[in-house]
Amino acid sequence: NAGVTQTPKFQVLKTGQSMTLQCAQDMNHEYMSWYRQDPGMGLRLIHYSVGAGITDQGEVPNGYNVSRSTTEDFPLRLLSAAPSQTSVYFCASSQGSGNTIYFGEGSWLTVV
Amino acid sequence: GDSVTQMEGPVTLSEEACLTINCTYTATGYPSLFWYVQYPGEGLQLLLKATKADDKGSNKGFEATYRKETTSFHLEKGSVQVSDSAVYFCALSDVSGGYNKLIFGAGTRLAVHP
Repeated sequence: NAGVTQTPKFQVLKTGQSMTLQCAQDMNHEYMSWYRQDPGMGLRLIHYSVGAGITDQGEVPNGYNVSRSTTEDFPLRLLSAAPSQTSVYFCASSQGSGNTIYFGEGSWLTVV
Repeated sequence: GDSVTQMEGPVTLSEEACLTINCTYTATGYPSLFWYVQYPGEGLQLLLKATKADDKGSNKGFEATYRKETTSFHLEKGSVQVSDSAVYFCALSDVSGGYNKLIFGAGTRLAVHP
């Protein structure tokens, strides 16, 4: 009963390093997305995808890249980490527009 | 654009007290409304939802009613437990642009003491 799986759960990066947050879902959902959670600001949408091969920017896309080569996977890449990217990252998926959105357990990222 | 405003926390209650967390929204259409809960060290879980005006969502003793006239979706529980200590997020769905994304409030931290 996996649902949405994110790895790693915790990561510390140095400024300028790159890394990829992995996200996989086993529910055959078309829609996937990445949010970041910052204190006092709720969650904000970074990037989203409505199907394999299709991605688009959300509210706060700068500094992040995504791709969607399969239905199941939606990795988030930090190209050159900055302290402002210290946050908790959540991957989410849903069957389609108007359906319930399911979240992963989160990835806590610290950039020093 | 669409937005969600929640009451600021933290909210501190004794066990068995009544809980209300206020949530109001601004939206151009008729969005679905949600409450998500985040327990310490965990991800977000859907607590309840309502998809149209006057709908009442309920789960685990929590309730919220979609009030279009006051653009509100307040979360209520008659008797809280220590295990309800968590951060609660109100959210609405925005399907503009053909994608179902969520607009979140800032979250309200609830601490329940024995």
